[in-house]
Amino acid sequence: QVQLVESGGGVVQPGGSLRLSCAASGFHFSSYDMHWVRQAPGKGLEWVAVISYDGSNEDFDDSVKGRFTISRDKWKNTVYLEMNSLRAEDTAVYYCAKDLYSGHRSYYMVAWGKGTTVTVSS
Amino acid sequence: EIVLTQSPVTLSLSPGERATLSCRASQSVNSLLAWYQQKPGQAPRLLIYDASNRATGTPARFSGRGSGTDFTLTISSLEPEDFAVYYCQQRTKRPKPTFGGGTKVEIK
Repeated sequence: QVQLVESGGGVVQPGGSLRLSCAASGFHFSSYDMHWVRQAPGKGLEWVAVISYDGSNEDFDDSVKGRFTISRDKWKNTVYLEMNSLRAEDTAVYYCAKDLYSGHRSYYMVAWGKGTTVTVSS
Repeated sequence: EIVLTQSPVTLSLSPGERATLSCRASQSVNSLLAWYQQKPGQAPRLLIYDASNRATGTPARFSGRGSGTDFTLTISSLEPEDFAVYYCQQRTKRPKPTFGGGTKVEIK
């Protein structure tokens, strides 16, 4: 079955950096776009970023554009979220999610990991 | 940005009752809308996509309808495991995908 396992969260000071990882299994990783979605404590869901199935293009929410990068390693079946210039408002649980469709982007997220917590605080 | 407004914020019902959740978009999203269920401490789960298509594994008691700006998720008869928070999400390419603020379905 599909499994997504995030790691790399932690406590970081404002202005700092963190790299999140998401290890995928149970499906053909190289056929699906992968997303990151976050949820601030007690709040709703916020889409953050997506990378295409082949790594050729990505898209970001305006709130993280220029600070976050997304990448993937097809040999390790892993997607990454590199977060720089972190702010207090980036504090959230970060979820990795698999797109619904193979080969093209639907922006519907059909499988999710359990999430990893990022806290930005001095 | 397309804003999704969900109502009510909280819905208090008993098991066996019918639940009707609303999601209104600030501009048309055609039928490009999904519904997710999230239980405490868990990741969201996709229930409905393209307004009315049930995702694999979604029980038949869940149904979605609507197009344009007004959408509804209906749970025909609430089971104990259905008490959760429900989010709608639109997926128009530009602007970016956004989520509603959520509706909590709680036990009365």
